[in-house]
Amino acid sequence: EVQLVESGGGLVQPGGSLRLSCAASGLTFSSYWMSWVRQAPGKGLEWVAKIKQDGSDKYYVGSVEGRFTISRDNAKNSLYLQMNSLRAEDTAVYYCARGGCSTTSCLDSWGQGTLVTVSS
Amino acid sequence: QVVLTQSPSASASLGASVKLTCTLSSGHSSYDIAWHQQQPEKGPRFLMKVNSAGSHNKGDGIPDRFSGSSSGAERYLTISSLESEDEADYYCQTWGTAYVVFGGGTKLTVL
Repeated sequence: EVQLVESGGGLVQPGGSLRLSCAASGLTFSSYWMSWVRQAPGKGLEWVAKIKQDGSDKYYVGSVEGRFTISRDNAKNSLYLQMNSLRAEDTAVYYCARGGCSTTSCLDSWGQGTLVTVSS
Repeated sequence: QVVLTQSPSASASLGASVKLTCTLSSGHSSYDIAWHQQQPEKGPRFLMKVNSAGSHNKGDGIPDRFSGSSSGAERYLTISSLESEDEADYYCQTWGTAYVVFGGGTKLTVL
């Protein structure tokens, strides 16, 4: 069974930084694209970033470009999201998800999420 | 970039069927999409991938009551024999080389 477990969320002041982690098990982690998706309180799902199997290609939604960095450590079966220059509008539950269905980004497995609150 | 359009809400009675629609923007009618369910206070759950030909591939453990289909730029999720636990938000999702896009979601109420 695929398990994705996010951690690292919390309360941070505007302008601050936070690093999210996603621990993967039950899958050959290095074989899949991985994504981060967020959901602001009471809002819909918003894709944040994705990374290729070997980390060589990374893509971001425009609103986080230059502030967030996605990375992975295949030896540790882990996905990361480094978030800098955080803003109030980054407040959300952040989910990691696997790109499956024999595609890069059909998100077929999800974690339970970690809450990031940006507030003074 | 592709845009996915969903009705904000839908409702149907317990035991009935409901068909949710996700519409792909002009010029993108060949795209595959995925359907996800999000029950209250829970994370999203993958339901299925639906292609332009109307075939679908469901995730592990998804009941037979859930099915997908297509017509032109529209992708459908049909839920039959509605149960109270089907009351949830339903999102469609698609992707390109450098992006992933979600529809705005449909809130399904089971009456």
